[in-house]
This record gives sequence, C-alpha cells and structure tokens, in this order.
Amino acid sequence: AQKVTQAQTEISVVEKEDVTLDCVYETRDTTYYLFWYKQPPSGELVFLIRRNSFDEQNEISGRYSWNFQKSTSSFNFTITASQVVDSAVYFCAPGGKLIFGQGTELSVKP
Amino acid sequence: GAVVSQHPSWVICKSGTSVKIECRSLDFQATTMFWYRQFPKQSLMLMATSNEGSKATYEQGVEKDKFLINHASLTLSTLTVTSAHPEDSSFYICSPRDAQTTDTQYFGPGTRLTVL
Repeated sequence: AQKVTQAQTEISVVEKEDVTLDCVYETRDTTYYLFWYKQPPSGELVFLIRRNSFDEQNEISGRYSWNFQKSTSSFNFTITASQVVDSAVYFCAPGGKLIFGQGTELSVKP
Repeated sequence: GAVVSQHPSWVICKSGTSVKIECRSLDFQATTMFWYRQFPKQSLMLMATSNEGSKATYEQGVEKDKFLINHASLTLSTLTVTSAHPEDSSFYICSPRDAQTTDTQYFGPGTRLTVL
C-alpha cells in the first residue's frame, strides 16, 4: 500500500521568504512516479510536477524546486521568494493510484 | 493541454434525490478515471477507480450501489449519487489519467454537493 506523510500541517511565512514543504512516502513499487499538486482556495487541483523514481536529479522550475532523495523516500518542495498567490494546500503523492496524505496548508502573508 | 471539465460545479438538492456529476477530459483520452471526495479541511479520499468500458473498483467503505460510476468513453465519466443524504454533502473531484502519459493524473475543478 502507498502512504504519504506530510508532517507540516500548516506553514505560515511572510512574502519573499523561502519555504520548504516536506514529503515522505512509502511505496512497494520498485519504479514509480512522484507528484506534487497545489490546491488553491478555489478548490481545483493544479498539477505541479511528475518525477520518475529513476531520476534523482533535483529539478528547478522558476521559483519552485524539488529535492528527491530515494534513499530516504523523500520528495521535498521548495518555494523561493514566496508570494501571496502561493497560499494553498499542497499535496504530494506517489503515482499509480494517487493516494493523498493530509497535505500542507501554506499561508503567505504580505 | 490537460483540460478537464466537471458539471455541475455546484448543486443543492433535497434529501432522497439523485445527483449526476459529469467529468470530461477535453483534450486527451482517459483510459482510467479516479473519483475523489473531499470534506472541508480534509484531504482527498479516493472513492473508486474505473477503466473505460469496465466496472468501477470501489475503495473500502464506499458503497457501490450508492455511488454509481459510468465510464463509457475515453472522454466522459459520470458519478451518480443515489438517494443523497446530508452526510453525502462534499466536494467531489474527478481525475482522469492521460492514456498517453500513463501515470499523470489531472483533476477536474470539482463539484460541490450540498444535500438539504
């Protein structure tokens, strides 16, 4: 069975601060994908990234970056220079049949 | 790309009535459809998985006779909440999986159901 632990339930930062959202996952699959999604107050989930378990290179996309450590089953997400529009609930999940953890609610204050 | 629509976006109904929610993948084909439910301040809970043309597989604790899922085509799936009760009030989200990119799931905008 798959499982995700996002230990930070809520994070509050001030605009322009950097923030890292932690994600630890469990999966029995030897190869798999990992995902991050954003759910803003409107409710619609936004796909952020899909990462293949073969690829442990860190990825950067604008202000977003992801650190994948297969040895520790972690797939952490960092937002650099956070903005108010980043306020949302963020979910990570291993692929296959997406089972979500509790998510991390990020609040960015001006 | 990856546009998913859900209809209606919100619905209010009386207890005992049935409500049908449609989910369409507008620019890709979805061989697999996932349906989730989300209560306020909670995470998404997977309800069922369906493959096009096959019967849906329901997660433990989800009543298959209450939540009817039809996945008749690669671009359309429906979820019918039968004999709805107030405890069925929730945010229902469909998630089609793109057949071309296999493991990438996209999400519809959700349907907020309120049962009076």
